[in-house]
Amino acid sequence: GNSVTQMEGPVTLSEEAFLTINCTYTATGYPSLFWYVQYPGEGLQLLLKATKADDKGSNKGFEATYRKETTSFHLEKGSVQVSDSAVYFCALTTGGFKTIFGAGTRLFVKA
Amino acid sequence: NAGVTQTPKFQVLKTGQSMTLQCAQDMNHNSMYWYRQDPGMGLRLIYYSASEGTTDKGEVPNGYNVSRLNKREFSLRLESAAPSQTSVYFCATRGATATNEKLFFGSGTQLSVL
Repeated sequence: GNSVTQMEGPVTLSEEAFLTINCTYTATGYPSLFWYVQYPGEGLQLLLKATKADDKGSNKGFEATYRKETTSFHLEKGSVQVSDSAVYFCALTTGGFKTIFGAGTRLFVKA
Repeated sequence: NAGVTQTPKFQVLKTGQSMTLQCAQDMNHNSMYWYRQDPGMGLRLIYYSASEGTTDKGEVPNGYNVSRLNKREFSLRLESAAPSQTSVYFCATRGATATNEKLFFGSGTQLSVL
C-alpha cells in the first residue's frame, strides 16, 4: 500500500543553520507530494507541493524536489529562523480521495 | 471568511460517554475528511466523504460514525468513548478530486477520554 516515511525528530537547530528533513514514499501510480506545516495550537497548512517527477516546490525559503528514482521528497531551507519552529509533515495523494501523511518531524530553532 | 470550523476545541469525556464533533466549511468544497493525530503516528484518516450523500471508511474507522448532513457539514460521532480515542481530531476539506489539490484544515478538537 501507499506510505510515507520521514525522519524522526525532534530536530534542534540554531538560527541561520541549514535544514534538511528527509522524506521517502511508497506509492502506486503517480502521486502528488506535499509538505504541510503545523504551528502550535493550529491545524496543518500547505507549505509546498510538487505534482510530477523532477518538479521543485518552494515557499517561504523552503524547497523540495520530487525524485522519482529515489522515491524521495526531502525538505530543505538554507537558513532557518526561530519562527520556523513547528511540526512538518510529508504527505502524498494518489488517484482518489485519500492523502497519506508521514509521522511528522518537530523542528526547534534556537535564537 | 471562516474556512473550516470545528467545535468544540476541547472536550473531556468519561469512558462510555458519547459525543459528536462538528465540522462546517464555507468554501463550497465537495470532499470532507476526519483525521486523528497521535504522537509519533502522524495523521490517520478515520472517515471521509467524497461528496454530499456519500461516506467511506478510512484507515481507522472502528469506534466512530459519521454523517454528511449537507454539503457544508460533516460530523464525527463517538458512541461509547474509550481511552484509546484520546487524540486531537482534525476536519479537512478539498475542493476537487485531482491529486494535486491541497487539503484545508480546521484548528482541531483536543479530546481526552478518562
